[in-house]
Amino acid sequence: NAGVTQTPKFQVLKTGQSMTLQCAQDMNHEYMSWYRQDPGMGLRLIHYSVGAGITDQGEVPNGYNVSRSTTEDFPLRLLSAAPSQTSVYFCASSYAGTSGQETQYFGPGTRLLVL
Amino acid sequence: GIQVEQSPPDLILQEGANSTLRCNFSDSVNNLQWFHQNPWGQLINLFYIPSGTKQNGRLSATTVATERYSLLYISSSQTTDSGVYFCPDDYKLSFGAGTTVTVRA
Repeated sequence: NAGVTQTPKFQVLKTGQSMTLQCAQDMNHEYMSWYRQDPGMGLRLIHYSVGAGITDQGEVPNGYNVSRSTTEDFPLRLLSAAPSQTSVYFCASSYAGTSGQETQYFGPGTRLLVL
Repeated sequence: GIQVEQSPPDLILQEGANSTLRCNFSDSVNNLQWFHQNPWGQLINLFYIPSGTKQNGRLSATTVATERYSLLYISSSQTTDSGVYFCPDDYKLSFGAGTTVTVRA
């Protein structure tokens, strides 16, 4: 298993550009989440999904869109990049289990710099 | 949503020392996990521990769900234990700032 993969590893954008951060998992996990990490602020939840076709907003969803057309993929779209979106982005997935969420696995992260 | 308070916010240890990290929750604990983020940014799941005690090598964790707290024990600390430790409870919630651990040789 490759686990959770993210592409690209690093990206530089100009203000106003759009792009998609890719996230894929091969563990057949129902739950997937996107976080951003800024210095000293932990990981803040952007969007999450409980299964294909179902997404919801997290703590900081503004400026980001997501979709979940398959169980495996959960792309994050930046519609019009702003310098405030400079951050490290992590994708995670977990199995739903019989009594709730189980162990969560993280991808390696994508470093995004918006100029 | 549920609030998580981690203590201490920062911890400096001499190699070989033992330590305890704590997480307090404002509501019931259901899916507690402990993560370690190493200095290179990689996030590694240490324990999935909604209740009870688990051990893995020099690390062990205990969650007392009825009292809404969890503890992570690091014994005989090594420099590779440096990094930030997080204790989120749910995939639908943000992580807090965590506990930053520095182990000095």
